[in-house]
Amino acid sequence: DVKVTQSSRYLVKRTGEKVFLECVQDMDHENMFWYRQDPGLGLRLIYFSYDVKMKEKGDIPEGYSVSREKKERFSLILESASTNQTSMYLCASSLSGRESTDTQYFGPGTRLTVL
Amino acid sequence: DAKTTQPPSMDCAEGRAANLPCNHSTISGNEYVYWYRQIHSQGPQYIIHGLKNNETNEMASLIITEDRKSSTLILPHATLRDTAVYYCIVRPENRDDKIIFGKGTRLHILP
Repeated sequence: DVKVTQSSRYLVKRTGEKVFLECVQDMDHENMFWYRQDPGLGLRLIYFSYDVKMKEKGDIPEGYSVSREKKERFSLILESASTNQTSMYLCASSLSGRESTDTQYFGPGTRLTVL
Repeated sequence: DAKTTQPPSMDCAEGRAANLPCNHSTISGNEYVYWYRQIHSQGPQYIIHGLKNNETNEMASLIITEDRKSSTLILPHATLRDTAVYYCIVRPENRDDKIIFGKGTRLHILP
């Protein structure tokens, strides 16, 4: 079974703090994604990566950065957390993005609260 | 925007088959239909996907109409643990393969 894990299920940070959210997948997937999910807005793509050291912006990259130094790990970074970044953050991975049939598998999510 | 339409909520008695409909009238010939579900406070879970043939796995069956404009996800023997929001998704065929979730169907399994 594919396993996607995220470093924390719940996180509380203060405004202005730097926040790291870690995601690890154990299936040698090429692609990894970071989404945020908010009530009424559904899932929105923040960043994604097709390979080590590669990253591409999603729909809402502002205020976020990412790092993919190893294939299995994709980190989301909030350089200076703000209250409007309070959300559920979901990481996903898929084998390859070059075919539309590749299934994305999600982690359990990190519920981040910024005070 | 999501390319699918689903009823906002449905009820199903425990032990009965849950049939969740989805309309995707603008689906392209090479787009797949995917189903995910999300149990409260958890990440989305992949269920099944298909192109034009009916599909079955250990979780569910997917019935796609011949014109591919609609589909039905069938949970054959619903349990309380199947209470979740179910999302029907059409996958775009391009390199930017983000998933676009619509509002989904909130399925309540009644004891």
